[in-house]
Amino acid sequence: NAGVMQNPRHLVRRRGQEARLRCSPMKGHSHVYWYRQLPEEGLKFMVYLQKENIIDESGMPKERFSAEFPKEGPSILRIQQVVRGDSAAYFCASSPVDRATNTEAFFGQGTRLTVV
Amino acid sequence: AQSVTQLDSHVSVSEGTPVLLRCNYSSSYSPSLFWYVQHPNKGLQLLLKYTSAATLVKGINGFEAEFKKSETSFHLTKPSAHMSDAAEYFCVVRGNSGNTPLVFGKGTRLSVIA
Repeated sequence: NAGVMQNPRHLVRRRGQEARLRCSPMKGHSHVYWYRQLPEEGLKFMVYLQKENIIDESGMPKERFSAEFPKEGPSILRIQQVVRGDSAAYFCASSPVDRATNTEAFFGQGTRLTVV
Repeated sequence: AQSVTQLDSHVSVSEGTPVLLRCNYSSSYSPSLFWYVQHPNKGLQLLLKYTSAATLVKGINGFEAEFKKSETSFHLTKPSAHMSDAAEYFCVVRGNSGNTPLVFGKGTRLSVIA
């Protein structure tokens, strides 16, 4: 059972370009979370998705950022018109359907976005 | 809302000596607590989680944590540090229903000196 797969691992974009980050959850997991990690900081929650639904996007910037988790295929975090401040590591996590609050999330290795 | 506070941003220990990484939580109900570890330029790995079955939780690589409700703490310990333990450690709390997002502390960087 492969773990959470994120690609690309490293992404360089010029200011104003679009960045697309992909996340394939673990097999059998239908819940996906995106987090952003800035240098010397912990992970900040961005968005929580289930298949075809956004459950909680309270951590998403209001502009330029969007996320989706289609019925088929990976979850996509999209950043339009990137700026230098978007440079960070973006982590995806997945968890199975489970009402227990102690269910852990499994993390991918992250995508390190650099905006030049 | 739930939150965690990691009291030390950086801890340095000598190899073979005990490790203590401190974490206090804030929650209006019985929390779900986790410790994750992140090695440089890697993803996050679960060390252990509090399941309410026992207050002393044993994790991987010899780590353990004790849930103390009276002190609202969930400190991470290891009797003897190894060089390979050098990493960033995150104390994490989860909301009051399944699958709600994890809330991370700011992390503690552990350095191990030979």
